[in-house]
Amino acid sequence: DAGVIQSPRHEVTEMGQEVTLRCKPISGHNSLFWYRQTMMRGLELLIYFNNNVPIDDSGMPEDRFSAKMPNASFSTLKIQPSEPRDSAVYFCASRGGRSSYNSPLHFGNGTRLTVT
Amino acid sequence: DQQVKQNSPSLSVQEGRISILNCDYTNSMFDYFLWYKKYPAEGPTFLISISSIKDKNEDGRFTVFLNKSAKHLSLHIVPSQPGDSAVYFCAASEGYGGSQGNLIFGKGTKLSVKP
Repeated sequence: DAGVIQSPRHEVTEMGQEVTLRCKPISGHNSLFWYRQTMMRGLELLIYFNNNVPIDDSGMPEDRFSAKMPNASFSTLKIQPSEPRDSAVYFCASRGGRSSYNSPLHFGNGTRLTVT
Repeated sequence: DQQVKQNSPSLSVQEGRISILNCDYTNSMFDYFLWYKKYPAEGPTFLISISSIKDKNEDGRFTVFLNKSAKHLSLHIVPSQPGDSAVYFCAASEGYGGSQGNLIFGKGTKLSVKP
């Protein structure tokens, strides 16, 4: 099991540019989560999907952020246009199994985004 | 308003001694609690969990205690080892059929175990 795979590991971009973060969940997992980690706010849930359908996007900061899950093995988080305050580590996590509601999340290693 | 609070940003412990990490929560609807460990440049990894029907869960050197009346949980590591040095996150959710099990995280406690 390769675990949750995120790419890129690091992204440095200029303000105003579009940024796309990618995630491949663990095969067979039916829930996918995007979190953002900052010093000030810690780990915040941005959005999550069940069976590829967005369930709760109330954590998405604003319209500049969008997320998609076109199939069970791939998700993207896009920021357009990016701003310096978006600089953070973005984590993707997945969960699955018969009693998935109380299964732990499995996290990827994150994408460290720096917007200058 | 933080629903899950870890009031100690850091903790330093001698190898072989007990490490106690604390966590408080405000949402009485939380019924599932987890601890995650995070090393630098890696994602959080699941350590141990407890449901609200229990007050203790043990896994090797790790024990989680839950005090529902106080809305408090703690993680005990005995004996502590240098490899336990990491940031520990407490997390909670309304698990069973509630909000689909979204995890709400505390801000973490950095544990340093000195040889």
